[in-house]
Amino acid sequence: DAGVTQSPTHLIKTRGQHVTLRCSPISGHKSVSWYQQVLGQGPQFIFQYYEKEERGRGNFPDRFSARQFPNYSSELNVNALLLGDSALYLCASTPAVVTDTQYFGPGTRLTVL
Amino acid sequence: GEDVEQSLFLSVREGDSSVINCTYTDSSSTYLYWYKQEPGAGLQLLTYIFSNMDMKQDQRLTVLLNKKDKHLSLRIADTQTGDSAIYFCAEDPSNTGKLIFGQGTTLQVKP
Repeated sequence: DAGVTQSPTHLIKTRGQHVTLRCSPISGHKSVSWYQQVLGQGPQFIFQYYEKEERGRGNFPDRFSARQFPNYSSELNVNALLLGDSALYLCASTPAVVTDTQYFGPGTRLTVL
Repeated sequence: GEDVEQSLFLSVREGDSSVINCTYTDSSSTYLYWYKQEPGAGLQLLTYIFSNMDMKQDQRLTVLLNKKDKHLSLRIADTQTGDSAIYFCAEDPSNTGKLIFGQGTTLQVKP
């Protein structure tokens, strides 16, 4: 079975641009969470979606937004990129309820110049 | 507040045991997790422990939980060079799936 997949693998943007990152959960998983991992630190929670509804949001500015589609895939959008947004963005999926064990994808490495 | 702390670096010889320690702040976490991250990769779930357990063993991995001291440890027996990676402990204090991670412990295994 395929694990969590994310695209693109790497991305380079300039300050002020917009970016969209995509995630496909493990087949049958209905909950997706997004995390930001800055170099040298642990991941920080950004968003959580379950059954297409936002169930949680971390301490991130409104420039960050996300949505979940009927097939349970998800997009993370970041507007007005800043240098500090450079990070590895990780997506995780869980089987059913939001407290299930989370399985992570390989991440998207975003570099903002 | 919510904070998970880990020592930043551990170096061991191949074949020795490794012990990675973690302290967490919220005793309401139902599960506590250990994840492994290899260079340039995502997070791999290694193991987890339910908060009403003191110990969990899974092949070479042993997790010890001391709820009184809010201390979690991961022991890797017979450490191999392939175990070299960053290890993160994580808690879910609100039991809603919003994981709080430590900074990670870099494990270096010398041949």
